[in-house]
Amino acid sequence: AQSVTQLDSQVPVFEEAPVELRCNYSSSVSVYLFWYVQYPNQGLQLLLKYLSGSTLVKGINGFEAEFNKSQTSFHLRKPSVHISDTAEYFCAVTPGGGFKTIFGAGTRLFVKA
Amino acid sequence: GAVVSQHPSRVICKSGTSVKIECRSLDFQATTMFWYRQFPKQSLMLMATSNEGSKATYEQGVEKDKFLINHASLTLSTLTVTSAHPEDSSFYICSARDRASYTDTQYFGPGTRLTVL
Repeated sequence: AQSVTQLDSQVPVFEEAPVELRCNYSSSVSVYLFWYVQYPNQGLQLLLKYLSGSTLVKGINGFEAEFNKSQTSFHLRKPSVHISDTAEYFCAVTPGGGFKTIFGAGTRLFVKA
Repeated sequence: GAVVSQHPSRVICKSGTSVKIECRSLDFQATTMFWYRQFPKQSLMLMATSNEGSKATYEQGVEKDKFLINHASLTLSTLTVTSAHPEDSSFYICSARDRASYTDTQYFGPGTRLTVL
């Protein structure tokens, strides 16, 4: 079975500061990794995904994430955040070749002026 | 990118009535769709996996007679909440897997806010 742990439930940060949202996973099989963003009362939007290849993945809105197999982590980073980045961020894993996606509990990013 | 729509976006109903929510993949075919439920400030909880032309697979603890799922075509899945009660009030989100994609990427709908009075 797979599980996803997002280590921070809330991350407050000032505008233009860097941010890292942490995600660790556990799985006995290889997995695909995803980060999604959810704005209030909306569905989920895919930020980026890791399937294979380069461990540094670049996504939309200036976000990137690095897959670290030895530490089973997939932390999300952005060098300079904007007020508009305030949202809920979900880390998720899907076992390779499987169907179900397991979501983390979410991290609320709050960007302050 | 691929687009998934949900209808309605918001619905308010009286206790005891049934509500149908539609999930459509607009520009791709989806042999598999997923229905999630999200409580305020919580993560998504998978309710069921909907496969085109076959019965849905429900997660443990989800009442299949209460949450009826139909996946009649490659672009449409419906979730019917039967005899809704206030505790069924929630945000329901569907997602669809592109059958032509090997990457297991899900595309999410915008969600449906159900309020049962």
